Amino acid sequence: DTAVSQTPKYLVTQMGNDKSIKCEQNLGHDTMYWYKQDSKKFLKIMFSYNNKELIINETVPNRFSPKSPDKAHLNLHINSLELGDSAVYFCASSRQGAGNTEAFFGQGTRLTVV
Amino acid sequence: QQPVQSPQAVILREGEDAVINCSSSKALYSVHWYRQKHGEAPVFLMILLKGGEQKGHDKISASFNEKKQQSSLYLTASQLSYSGTYFCGTQSGNTPLVFGKGTRLSVIA
Repeated sequence: DTAVSQTPKYLVTQMGNDKSIKCEQNLGHDTMYWYKQDSKKFLKIMFSYNNKELIINETVPNRFSPKSPDKAHLNLHINSLELGDSAVYFCASSRQGAGNTEAFFGQGTRLTVV
Repeated sequence: QQPVQSPQAVILREGEDAVINCSSSKALYSVHWYRQKHGEAPVFLMILLKGGEQKGHDKISASFNEKKQQSSLYLTASQLSYSGTYFCGTQSGNTPLVFGKGTRLSVIA
């Protein structure tokens, strides 16, 4: 069983479109995250979310929004896609905050905006 | 606050040793180390929580200094399988896990 799964694995779309990436974890974790990895391989935190609190990296454009229908899912919705949004997006989860427990990553979604 | 990693890249021959450093301008609650191979997701290596702590498995180990502002990852007798990008992740207070820019390690035969 895959612990953290993301769909789709690849996503190619045109500028201006709206798209969503889904993430599900079956580990019973309380906290989920979205990271963006650009061409320079920098892993940038976008959101941290548990059932009580959403922490948003202030540098993330408001075109990006996390949506959590339940504790096991944290989807990423992106409006009005831009060329600079092209990157690999990783979902991750951990028990409570990631301070003292391992974070498990999904396999990533490679988003290409054309 | 993003931790600072050094070096940015290192090339080793099999059997050589390497040290990757991770530092912060303030005291940390924890330091995580992850390795990412090309085209794959980051994979957890270890967490250090206490100042002065050292951990390791196989030939990869790490330390967390007393002031909890710096950690080092030690790779000894490197193998081809060690190649990848190593990230340190840090967390302080209630902030989420934030990663450094990574260190690209290449081990050649």
